[in-house]
Formats: sequence, structure tokens, C-alpha cells
Amino acid sequence: NAGVTQTPKFQVLKTGQSMTLQCAQDMNHNSMYWYRQDPGMGLRLIYYSASEGTTDKGEVPNGYNVSRLNKREFSLRLESAAPSQTSVYFCASSNRGLYQPQHFGDGTRLSIL
Amino acid sequence: EDQVTQSPEALRLQEGESSSLNCSYTVSGLRGLFWYRQDPGKGPEFLFTLYSAGEEKEKERLKATLTKKESFLHITAPKPEDSATYLCAVSASNTGNQFYFGTGTSLTVIP
Repeated sequence: NAGVTQTPKFQVLKTGQSMTLQCAQDMNHNSMYWYRQDPGMGLRLIYYSASEGTTDKGEVPNGYNVSRLNKREFSLRLESAAPSQTSVYFCASSNRGLYQPQHFGDGTRLSIL
Repeated sequence: EDQVTQSPEALRLQEGESSSLNCSYTVSGLRGLFWYRQDPGKGPEFLFTLYSAGEEKEKERLKATLTKKESFLHITAPKPEDSATYLCAVSASNTGNQFYFGTGTSLTVIP
């Protein structure tokens, strides 16, 4: 049982390049989330998908897009990477509802030069 | 205004020296308070959910408690393998569909 799997684990980009971070969960969860984690700051929500077919903005959505491909998969796209997007990105999933804990993958470490 | 504040930022304990970590929150209509453990290079690992004041949860050397304004994570007789960053998060009626995370307490247990 892998839980939440994120790919790639590490990536280095140049300013202006684009890329997609992939996330898949095998827990049959309805809701999925993308966070970024920066030194000295808590995890901040970028986008979430409460259920298949829906996506909504979180606290810091600018510069990102998401796609909920199916119930298992939720991708995060950077269309034109900027140095300010250098961060560690975490994907999480949970059962439907705001009383349920979220379960996290091990992150993608992204550096933008 | 910060929704969730954790203290201290860092804590060093001798093996066996019990202590507590604090998570204070300023939200309305708490739905749940969540504790996580995060090891270097890993994602947060879920530990506990607390839903109402007075509730307590235990797991091995860890015990989480909740009041109307804060939560404590008590660590009894810690071991070096308890070294990690501990995060708390809240979900509440005034946070919409979001969880808000604190910045964590980095715990080091010295043998």
C-alpha cells in the first residue's frame, strides 16, 4: 500500500520553463490537495479538489494550474516557472469532509534558477 | 493574523526528559485539530485528530490534549527516534475548505 506517491522527487528548472508535478493516491480518497512548504512558513495550500471533477483555489494559487485527472490522480502545473516558486511541494489526500485528516506524499523538491 | 501558532520553535531534550509542545489557534468553529510528525526529507505523517475541548489521544510516548484555545503534545520519556518536526493544523468554520498549518516545533532528543 503506497499511500500518496509524488513524482519526480527532485527537479531543477530554469526561469520560464514549464513542468507538471504528478500525484497519485491508492486509498480511494475523494479529496486531494497541493501544498508548498517554505522555510519559516507553514504548509500553504495552493489548490485542492474536493471530489473528482472539481478544483478550487487555495491560499497561494497564482502561477499554478491543476488537473484532477481521475479519482486517483491530481497534477500541478507550473506554466512559466519563477525563482519564487522554488519550494518543496506536497500532495495530500483525504476522505471527503473537513473533519478528516489529510495524508501526505514525500514531496517534490523544486529549484528554479 | 496567524491562525495557528506553535511554540517553541525548537526544543532540545535529553533522552527521558519529558516535555510539552504547544499549538495555539485563533479560529472560530473548530472542526478539528490535527497533529503531524515530519522527518527530514519526508512528508508529514498523521498522528492524531482532536475534535472538542477536553479530548485526549495517546500513542506510545505521545499524548495530545485540546482546550478551547490551544492543544498540547506531551512527550513522555522521549527517545532519540522521537526527534522530528511536529506540526499542528486546524480546520474550522472560518477557514473555509482549508486546513491552516503552524510552522512546527523541531524536537531533538539527545542520547
